[in-house]
Amino acid sequence: GNSVTQMEGPVTLSEEAFLTINCTYTATGYPSLFWYVQYPGEGLQLLLKATKADDKGSNKGFEATYRKETTSFHLEKGSVQVSDSAVYFCALTLNNAGNMLTFGGGTRLMVKP
Amino acid sequence: EAQVTQNPRYLITVTGKKLTVTCSQNMNHEYMSWYRQDPGLGLRQIYYSMNVEVTDKGDVPEGYKVSRKEKRNFPLILESPSPNQTSLYFCASSLAAGGEYNEQFFGPGTRLTVL
Repeated sequence: GNSVTQMEGPVTLSEEAFLTINCTYTATGYPSLFWYVQYPGEGLQLLLKATKADDKGSNKGFEATYRKETTSFHLEKGSVQVSDSAVYFCALTLNNAGNMLTFGGGTRLMVKP
Repeated sequence: EAQVTQNPRYLITVTGKKLTVTCSQNMNHEYMSWYRQDPGLGLRQIYYSMNVEVTDKGDVPEGYKVSRKEKRNFPLILESPSPNQTSLYFCASSLAAGGEYNEQFFGPGTRLTVL
């Protein structure tokens, strides 16, 4: 089956620190990959996506590169802000699976001033 | 504003009392789906719909029904709710079920408690 594994949190960083949240996947096909962010009390927002190998998704200073050889899609940001504090979900979908998103367990990020 | 809306946002009910959670999108999306989010289990898909009158089961469909009579609406129906359906529910939609436009946009969530 398909699965997504994320590093467990919480991840606590100081403002302006470098962020990496690891994500690896297994899939019985060629998935599209996503990062979603959930701010406290809110729904999920799409942060970035990549649909094929070596694609780099980017948004709001966050980046992730689709690495087929390592089945990974790690999320990075060069300088985090307090406003980045949220839960981050890595997810995949296969075109032949009713577009069902398979999510990782989520990683809580806490950024301190 | 392009969005997915859900109602109600919060609901406390009792075992066996039928309820409906509504979901509506204004983006003319063909694909809609429902997920539940539970601590330690992440988000899991309940049902999805590829288009009007086309619905199918996701990973955890037991105890739920859906309908898709109009493109914009995709209500989630619990005919006889039980305490194990206490959860945070999200509706989502995407322009297409695959290809370039398959990213799903989520509603704000409905927190359901079944006593």
